[in-house]
Parts: sequence; structure tokens; C-alpha cells
Amino acid sequence: QLQLQESGPGLVKPSETLSLTCTVSGGSISSNTYYWGWIRQPPGKGLEWIGSIHYSGSTYYNPSLKSRVAISVDTSKNQFSLKLSSVTAADTAVYYCARLGLYYYDSSYYLNCFDPWGQGTLVTVSS
Amino acid sequence: SYELTQPPSVSVSPGQTASITCSGDELGDKYVSWYQQRPGQSPVLVIYQDTKRPSGIPERFSGSSSGNTATLTISGTQAMDEADYYCQAWDSNTAVFGGGTKLTVL
Repeated sequence: QLQLQESGPGLVKPSETLSLTCTVSGGSISSNTYYWGWIRQPPGKGLEWIGSIHYSGSTYYNPSLKSRVAISVDTSKNQFSLKLSSVTAADTAVYYCARLGLYYYDSSYYLNCFDPWGQGTLVTVSS
Repeated sequence: SYELTQPPSVSVSPGQTASITCSGDELGDKYVSWYQQRPGQSPVLVIYQDTKRPSGIPERFSGSSSGNTATLTISGTQAMDEADYYCQAWDSNTAVFGGGTKLTVL
């Protein structure tokens, strides 16, 4: 059974860089038919997609965060990582990693749904 | 930017049918996924590609889509179905989530 686990500091200072890693177990991150994604949820609010990466290095980012986000993959460790720079209190949230499936249609693959999700990790931005 | 609109809350009596809507421009041209999030837990996929149900999700969960609106229907709602539900679609390779609907089972 595929499992994802987020790890990283729970407290980050304003203006610094938030760094998180997602470790995938029970399956390989090096699959052609999956991307891997980061989604966050501020306390008491809804879900916001941050970005996604394929093991090949192909990435998609939320335009609203693109200038501050970098997602990378380490296939040797079966991990992918998130870096969010210049954080403020508005970046305080539970950060989830998830597998992103693709579907095949008319000779192409398309982004599909997030399943499963990690348990999430709370990151607080505060001095 | 693309937006998905959900009602903030829906109430249903146990055993009755709950319907949660998700609306967006030309939503019928996109596939919609639905996620259930119980308090303090991670989201769980309950419907994908508008109508498909992942293995392990009860048959009482179903999805439909027509025009600019997608609908998650829970038949024979149980107390354990009380949760937040989020719709999600893709627009220009950007994932968009609805604001979420709190389902209360009274």
C-alpha cells in the first residue's frame, strides 16, 4: 500500500525559506503515469494546490506561488521536496504531499486526481 | 483565475440523500474530483473523473456533471459521512479546489 510522509521544520521565521520533504513508501516514485504534488491548508480554511512534479523533473506550479516555489525530486531516495521562499504568516498551513494520477485520452496523458495523501505537517511562520 | 464555487454548508438527516454542488465556467468540459476531509484528518478521494469511485469508497457516494455544475451525491447518508467535501478540477494545468462544503448529518 502506497504511503506518503511529510517531514521538515514545524517553525520557520518570516522572510526565510520553508523546506519540506515527502518520502514515498510502498511504491516507486519513478512511474510514468504519476506526478507528485504539494497542497496546503491554512488553519480553518480550504485547500490550495502548490505544485506538482514528475520523476523526469517536469513541473507544474500554482501561478500565484510560482515566483517563490521550487519542487524537486530525488529518485534514489524515493522522495520529492518543496521549497517556498520569502515566507510570511500567510504561509502558515498544514502542508500535504500526495500522488497525482494521470489519465490517458486521445494519445495523451492528462492530470487527474490526488490519491493518496500524506498525513500532513503543520508549518508555522513566526519569529 | 479559474474558480470553483461550493455552498459553505449542507445539512442532511441520517438515511437521507445529500447533494453537494460545485460550479464553474465550462466545468462540463473538465473532469471533477471530490475529496472528503473528516476533522483532523487528511483528504480522501471519493470520486474522480466526474463519476468514478475509487476502490474502498462505499457505493452510496456518486458523482455527476452537467453543464457548469458537478454534483456529489451521498445516498443513505450516515453519521460517519459528516465531513468537509472539496471539489477539484484542472484549468490550464493548474489544480483548482472549491472552497469546501461542510456536511452536517443532523
